[in-house]
Amino acid sequence: DAGVTQSPTHLIKTRGQQVTLRCSPKSGHDTVSWYQQALGQGPQFIFQYYEEEERQRGNFPDRFSGHQFPNYSSELNVNALLLGDSALYLCASSRRGNTEAFFGQGTRLTVV
Amino acid sequence: AQKVTQAQTEISVVEKEDVTLDCVYETRDTTYYLFWYKQPPSGELVFLIRRNSFDEQNEISGRYSWNFQKSTSSFNFTITASQVVDSAVYFCALIKSYNQGGKLIFGQGTELSVKP
Repeated sequence: DAGVTQSPTHLIKTRGQQVTLRCSPKSGHDTVSWYQQALGQGPQFIFQYYEEEERQRGNFPDRFSGHQFPNYSSELNVNALLLGDSALYLCASSRRGNTEAFFGQGTRLTVV
Repeated sequence: AQKVTQAQTEISVVEKEDVTLDCVYETRDTTYYLFWYKQPPSGELVFLIRRNSFDEQNEISGRYSWNFQKSTSSFNFTITASQVVDSAVYFCALIKSYNQGGKLIFGQGTELSVKP
């Protein structure tokens, strides 16, 4: 049983560019959440998707957007990249109504 | 507002020592869930334990134990006879309610270094 998988593992982008990160949830899970973890900090909630809709959102600008597909996989898009967007982006999947979330290994984004 | 505080930024111990990681939380909700996650250098957050606000029983799992005290809003984590493999960053986290599965509020993390 595959766990949560994220791609790519590492990414380097230039300021102003756009990036798309991908996440496949654990089998049987229908809810995907995205977190941003800056160096030396705890993960910060970006948003959560369920039934292909954004259900909850943290304190992140509209440059951060997402999508969930019918197979429950999800994408995180960040437009107009800033240096401060450099971080580890973690995807977590869960089953609706269940508090236990499983995390992927993350995508480390570096903006130069 | 919910908040999780891990006052210890870094802890360094020698192998076989016991170590306790502190976690203090704030919430106005009567129903909530508390978690501990381990983050090794690979980056993936590994689930360790979940407790709900109605269950204050302490829990032991091998060398790990957790002490949940609602009176002091604390959920501390003890590793007995620490090992080098325990070296990682440990996060305490809070979920507001049952219907918000996945929306975790994390503390800043405690980096544990276990030296041989």
